[in-house]
This record gives sequence, C-alpha cells and structure tokens, in this order.
Amino acid sequence: DAGVIQSPRHEVTEMGQEVTLRCKPISGHDYLFWYRQTMMRGLELLIYFNNNVPIDDSGMPEDRFSAKMPNASFSTLKIQPSEPRDSAVYFCASSRDREGTGELFFGEGSRLTVL
Amino acid sequence: AQSVAQPEDQVNVAEGNPLTVKCTYSVSGNPYLFWYVQYPNRGLQFLLKYITGDNLVKGSYGFEAEFNKSQTSFHLKKPSALVSDSALYFCAVSSNAGNNRKLIWGLGTSLAVNP
Repeated sequence: DAGVIQSPRHEVTEMGQEVTLRCKPISGHDYLFWYRQTMMRGLELLIYFNNNVPIDDSGMPEDRFSAKMPNASFSTLKIQPSEPRDSAVYFCASSRDREGTGELFFGEGSRLTVL
Repeated sequence: AQSVAQPEDQVNVAEGNPLTVKCTYSVSGNPYLFWYVQYPNRGLQFLLKYITGDNLVKGSYGFEAEFNKSQTSFHLKKPSALVSDSALYFCAVSSNAGNNRKLIWGLGTSLAVNP
C-alpha cells in the first residue's frame, strides 16, 4: 500500500487566497483525520470522518475552514480566505479504528505558508 | 479533564546508551496510551500502544514502553540508542470513559543521539 497521500507538500500563498489541501487515505480505512501542527500549539485535531461522514469538527478554528470527504478515497481541507496565522503543517491520517483506540497512519503533511 | 505531559522538551543521549523519554497522563477510566515518532519533514509514525494486558509493551525499532498505573506514566525506552533514533517523539492518551475517545497529544520531546 502507498500509505496516506497528501498534496501539495508545500504551499505558499498570500493572505486572502483560497487554499485547498488534499488527502487520499489508505484503502479500507474507515476513519480519516485532519490535524494541524504548529510550534506553539503542537498537534491539534481539526476534524475527523467515519465512512465519509464528518463526526467531530469541534477543532475547526473558524468558518474559514471547511472539510469534505466526497468518497472513501478522497478528502479536502479548504481555507478561505487564508490568513498568516493559518501557516502550519497540515496532516491527514487514516485508521481502521475510531479515534483514540488504534494506530493512526499519517501522510507526509502539507506545509502551508500564508504571507 | 484528560491531559498528557512530556516534561522534557529535549533529551540528549550518547549512541549506545539507554534512552528514556518520559510521559505522564491524567484520564478518567482506563487509559489507552500511544507513542509516535516524527522524523524531520515527515509525518508521524506509530511506535507502540498500551490498551490492556502486559505492562511492558514492545514496539517498532527496538522501542518499548512501560505502563505504570500508580505513577500514571508511560515512559518510552530503548536499551541502546542509535544516531538514527534522533527525532521528535509524541505521547498520546485517550480513555475508555464514556463514549468520547478523544486522543490528547503531548507537545513532543526532541531526542538527540550523539555519535
């Protein structure tokens, strides 16, 4: 298996622009998670899906952030409009197990810089 | 509230010496405990977990961790460190209390193994 695939690996954009991050989970994994990692706040769960349905989006910082999972093999995280404080590394992870019970498989991350 | 602490921001150890990365936690109910490793510019990788059973858990790359209920700790250990073990290590905890299995992450410990 190729593992969790994220794109782009790096994104540099200007404040106010729309950013779309993409994720392909491991086939057969029913759970998909979006995390954000910063030096100040560490690793934060933004949202997670079970069988393509959003289960907990309480970590989404504000309405500028949205996530979708139109099918079992694809998810997007969108920021519109982007702000400099959104600069971070965004990770997608998938799992066979619900949150907090099993192994998470992480992608390589998308490093976002908002100027 | 559930919490996890990694009391050391950085651990330095000489190659060949034993290493310990510390983790303490606070949860309601029984803990589910995890260790992940992150190499530079990479996603997190699962090392090991404790759910139930033997207090000594063996994981990937020769790492092990000991669950100590009385001290609410789950320290990561390796008998002989390698330079290639240099990375960022994260402890995470959830619990079986209630229906929420939310995974709480530590802020990470940077391990430097010196040749």
